[in-house]
Amino acid sequence: DVKVTQSSRYLVKRTGEKVFLECVQDMDHENMFWYRQDPGLGLRLIYFSYDVKMKEKGDIPEGYSVSREKKERFSLILESASTNQTSMYLCASSFFGGRTAFFGQGTRLTVV
Amino acid sequence: DQQVKQNSPSLSVQEGRISILNCDYTNSMFDYFLWYKKYPAEGPTFLISISSIKDKNEDGRFTVFLNKSAKHLSLHIVPSQPGDSAVYFCAASAIQGAQKLVFGQGTRLTINP
Repeated sequence: DVKVTQSSRYLVKRTGEKVFLECVQDMDHENMFWYRQDPGLGLRLIYFSYDVKMKEKGDIPEGYSVSREKKERFSLILESASTNQTSMYLCASSFFGGRTAFFGQGTRLTVV
Repeated sequence: DQQVKQNSPSLSVQEGRISILNCDYTNSMFDYFLWYKKYPAEGPTFLISISSIKDKNEDGRFTVFLNKSAKHLSLHIVPSQPGDSAVYFCAASAIQGAQKLVFGQGTRLTINP
């Protein structure tokens, strides 16, 4: 079974803090994604990566950056957390050319 | 610009009856469609998919129908069971889109005993 693991289930951070969300997959997938889920808006793509050190912006990249130094790990960084970044963050991975993405369990981030 | 739309935020169905969840899309480049199921505080899990070369795909109690001319797909669950209560997301991708998935807003399905 594909395993995508996010480092935290729940996080509470203060406004202005730098926040790191970590994601690890064990299936040697080339593609990795970060989405956020908000009520009524579905899942929106923040950033994705199709190879080590490669990254591309998704639909809502503002206020975020990413890092992919190793194939199995994809990190999402909130440079200066704000209250409007309170959300459920979901990491996913897939094979290059694969059409199905597999998700981690999610990180519920609250910024106070 | 919402390329994938699920116009029903919620749906309530009696146990044992059929649940029909609907999804519309606008981008004619989409050629692969998926349904994910999500429980609260968990990540989405893949349920079923369909390629644009087909109009129907079945997996046990779950069937997905695709109407390309109408840019519409639907998920049928029959018979519905209490464990099917969850939020269902429709997603689409284009072969040129680096396999990015574009999601709808989700439909909360509640199965009543």
